[in-house]
Amino acid sequence: GAVVSQHPSRVICKSGTSVKIECRSLDFQATTMFWYRQFPKQSLMLMATSNEGSKATYEQGVEKDKFLINHASLTLSTLTVTSAHPEDSSFYICSARGQLANYGYTFGSGTRLTVV
Amino acid sequence: QQQVKQSPQSLIVQKGGISIINCAYENTAFDYFPWYQQFPGKGPALLIAIRPDVSEKKEGRFTISFNKSAKQFSLHIMDSQPGDSATYFCAASRNSGNTPLVFGKGTRLSVIA
Repeated sequence: GAVVSQHPSRVICKSGTSVKIECRSLDFQATTMFWYRQFPKQSLMLMATSNEGSKATYEQGVEKDKFLINHASLTLSTLTVTSAHPEDSSFYICSARGQLANYGYTFGSGTRLTVV
Repeated sequence: QQQVKQSPQSLIVQKGGISIINCAYENTAFDYFPWYQQFPGKGPALLIAIRPDVSEKKEGRFTISFNKSAKQFSLHIMDSQPGDSATYFCAASRNSGNTPLVFGKGTRLSVIA
């Protein structure tokens, strides 16, 4: 079945630094990538949607200059948290859909970001 | 605006019992209704999904019941096991390649022996 590899699984960074999270679709072409954020004991909240080769569409309240999304190829999308602050500490999850997905959404395993 | 309402927030079930989680949606354009299981520190994993042209779908111990007129769908876990203890999310989306899933708030299921 479809697999999305997300790395790193855990990362700790200092306040003010940037962190990059990668999601790779291993056996299909991800034409659309969704990025979610999940706080403890809460649901997944959509941050942005990106289509390969296009600029990402951000949800209301999500700072596009802080959460940089790149989807330059059909197999790789990245989320960069810039100038991270402790309040950015969260669980970040990507989800990919292919052109022939027929409703399927494939999720990455998530990245636990801790900003100290 | 919460487009998918999920209940209960938490659920405790005896081993061997039936776990039932309910969801209601508002957007009649939704036509894909999956259920996800999530363990701590892991991404959500698809359990089972249904489209509105059927009223029920069963896969092993997991069954989705779908009521289009009431805009409700539910997950039934038969013969619940301690290994089923996890957080379950219902979700919904429209049939479009770049349409994201909208998630319910989740149900924390604990199956006790």
